[in-house]
Amino acid sequence: DQQVKQNSPSLSVQEGRISILNCDYTNSMFDYFLWYKKYPAEGPTFLISISSIKDKNEDGRFTVFLNKSAKHLSLHIVPSQPGDSAVYFCAAPLFQGAQKLVFGQGTRLTINP
Amino acid sequence: NAGVTQTPKFQVLKTGQSMTLQCAQDMNHEYMSWYRQDPGMGLRLIHYSVGAGITDQGEVPNGYNVSRSTTEDFPLRLLSAAPSQTSVYFCASSYSGTDNTEAFFGQGTRLTVV
Repeated sequence: DQQVKQNSPSLSVQEGRISILNCDYTNSMFDYFLWYKKYPAEGPTFLISISSIKDKNEDGRFTVFLNKSAKHLSLHIVPSQPGDSAVYFCAAPLFQGAQKLVFGQGTRLTINP
Repeated sequence: NAGVTQTPKFQVLKTGQSMTLQCAQDMNHEYMSWYRQDPGMGLRLIHYSVGAGITDQGEVPNGYNVSRSTTEDFPLRLLSAAPSQTSVYFCASSYSGTDNTEAFFGQGTRLTVV
């Protein structure tokens, strides 16, 4: 049972435009969500998170939106830059503390010049 | 500050061989975990530990053993390697406590079992 789903395996966006990556979840007990970015041959690095008490969290060019009723979150990158080309994973901890994360399948983002 | 260090970075094993993937962190994190990444499946939890001497199974524990004798180290042992264990393995660590927080990952070990 895939509790966190990223249904788009890949996304291609022109440099300077907005990138929108989507994530759906099924477990209504999730109360915290994280986005990780992964370059080839490297480990995932933390990008941004959001608590279920918020519907938006912003950090520079990155904004995450949470729609609890739809069990859906999205990551917006504005403006997109070539260095943003990577695989993006959304994740949620099964309980408080990050030792048991459930990950989506990942979306490969390619930013075209 | 090295963060989370995994060794080796690459390994080829023959079916039936055993080996240990090493993981060390220097951030004094209580929590440590092992994940495997397979194409189209994201990262899946193998085993985790909430402190020295305490380990538990994750989603895909079969064929793997772990132990946690110190806060810094969390090795993953493959008892008898199988081709289905060909994957990229990531170790992670995080703070303990009641607050939600992020996990820090190592650079990964790419394992091929032939």
